[in-house]
Amino acid sequence: DQQVKQNSPSLSVQEGRISILNCDYTNSMFDYFLWYKKYPAEGPTFLISISSIKDKNEDGRFTVFLNKSAKHLSLHIVPSQPGDSAVYFCAASARVPQTNSGYALNFGKGTSLLVTP
Amino acid sequence: DTEVTQTPKHLVMGMTNKKSLKCEQHMGHRAMYWYKQKAKKPPELMFVYSYEKLSINESVPSRFSPECPNSSLLNLHLHALQPEDSALYLCASSQEYGGGNSPLHFGNGTRLTVT
Repeated sequence: DQQVKQNSPSLSVQEGRISILNCDYTNSMFDYFLWYKKYPAEGPTFLISISSIKDKNEDGRFTVFLNKSAKHLSLHIVPSQPGDSAVYFCAASARVPQTNSGYALNFGKGTSLLVTP
Repeated sequence: DTEVTQTPKHLVMGMTNKKSLKCEQHMGHRAMYWYKQKAKKPPELMFVYSYEKLSINESVPSRFSPECPNSSLLNLHLHALQPEDSALYLCASSQEYGGGNSPLHFGNGTRLTVT
């Protein structure tokens, strides 16, 4: 059962414009949300995160917005650059039941972003 | 360059072979992870080690056997694998095993093909 959903498999944006990547989730117990970026033949790289108690976190060109009532978050990249072309994974963290300190990180299926010159 | 180093980068093995995947990090992280990723799918958690102790084993078949010799090293021993085990195997580490406020740092993975 997919608890983190990225419904757009791909997105194409022109250089300099804003890229908006969306993510929906079903588990209200998630306490952190993270975005990872993955280039081909490389492992995912952590990009930015947001705690469930906040609604916005910004780091340079990257901003993540969280709408808890809608169980929706989005990653904004502005301005987009060709080097941003990669697969972006949304992930959410929740404590694992029946453990004292266990956490599970649930990944979405990813959105492939292409930034064209 | 990633700070989590995985070897080998590629591995082809037969179903009767025994091989090991290796992972190393020198960031002082106390949690290490093995993930499996199939094409066009998200990474799936296999094992978590926290302070060199196995914390989570996500019902992985016994033909996969993890080992954490010390806080910097993580191995995945493979034996009698099936062709459907072919995938990208990712190692990751985090400062603590504490959820989203301790982001994962991934290696570049080992591309495993089982023939």
